[in-house]
Formats: sequence, structure tokens, C-alpha cells
Amino acid sequence: EVQLVESGGGLVQPGGSLRLSCAASGFTFSSNWMSWVRQVPGKGLEWVANVNQHGSETYYADSVTGRFTIARDNAKNSLFLQMNSLRGEDTAVYYCARGCCCGGNCYAGLFDQWGQGTPVTVSS
Amino acid sequence: DIQLTQSPSFLSASVGDRVTITCRASQGISSYLAWYQQKPGKVPNLLIYAASTLQSGVPSRFSGSGSGTEFTLTISSLQPEDFATYYCQQLNSYPITFGQGTRLEIK
Repeated sequence: EVQLVESGGGLVQPGGSLRLSCAASGFTFSSNWMSWVRQVPGKGLEWVANVNQHGSETYYADSVTGRFTIARDNAKNSLFLQMNSLRGEDTAVYYCARGCCCGGNCYAGLFDQWGQGTPVTVSS
Repeated sequence: DIQLTQSPSFLSASVGDRVTITCRASQGISSYLAWYQQKPGKVPNLLIYAASTLQSGVPSRFSGSGSGTEFTLTISSLQPEDFATYYCQQLNSYPITFGQGTRLEIK
């Protein structure tokens, strides 16, 4: 069974930092793109960042570029999101999502498995 | 950035109804469009990708169509478990973007 378990969320002051982690199991982690997607409760979905299978290629939403860094450790089946210079608008539930290998293709931006999310609140 | 606009934003329908949700892209995205279903308190679930390909395990009452800038998600006969919020998403280019969502409720 595929499992993605996020951790590291919490309450942080504006300007502070947090590091989110996602522990993956039940699949060959090194075969898939991985992403972070966030959602303000009751609102829509916002893609944050993704990383390729080897960790050598990363992409970010404009809203987090220069502040957030995505990384992975394939030896530990783990995905990370380092979040610096946090702002109130970063408050959301952060989901770890697996890039789908569907129909013979592995997609960077198609999400077939999601973790349960970790909440991040940025407030003084 | 590519904007996705879903219509309607809210839809009230009955069990057994046929419903269609539209997603319009601000520029052409070929067939790089997916649809997700999200129920309250749950994570999104991938329904359709490549505009019209049904994800494994998704009931055949769900179907998708379109290419370029206009896409539709159709549910042929609504079941009680289908009442949820639906999102379209484009993966044609970065940044990856989602539509604002369509909330489907029981009439």
C-alpha cells in the first residue's frame, strides 16, 4: 500500500522557518516525481514545488520562489520542503503528492497519491 | 501563468442526473488537463488525466473531453458518493495551476 506521511508543520511567526518532511513507502520512491501542494482550509488547491526522480531538477510557484526549497533523499524515501521567510499567506495544509506514472508515462505534474497533509500556520 | 476557470462554481443536482462541469484555459494546453475529486475532510483523488483518460479504479460514469482551451467533465448518472468538489488542473507548463473548483451538492 502506498503511503505518504507528512510531518513538520506547526505554528511559526512571520519571517520564521519550517522544514516539512514526507516519508514515502509502498512504492519505488526513486521512480516518481514528487510535489508539494497546499490548500487553505475551505479554499482551492495551489501547487507549490516539485522535484524530479534524481533531485536534480526543481520547479517552484512564483509565490514561493526564493523562499522555499524542495529536496529529496531517495536512500531514505523522503521528500522535504524547507520554508524560509514565512508569511501569513503561506498558512495552509501542505500535502506531499506523488507524480503519477500513468499509461506508460511518468508525469511531473499529475498527482495520483497524496498524503494526509500537515498544517502550517504563520501568525504572531 | 495559465489560468483555469471552472463553471459553474456551484452546482446543485439530484441522484441520477447527468452533470457537466466546464474548465476553460487562458491559453492552449493541448490535452494536458486532469480532473480531481475532493470530498470534505479528504485529500484530492485523481479521476481523469490527458483530458479524457480514466484513472484506474474510477467508475465509468465519469468521462472527460476537450483539448486546447475548453474541457468538460461529465458524470453520466450521479451517485450519492459523487457529491464533492471537483478541480481541473493543467500540467502543460509551469507553474502548474488548478481551477477554482466546482462544488457539487445534493438538490
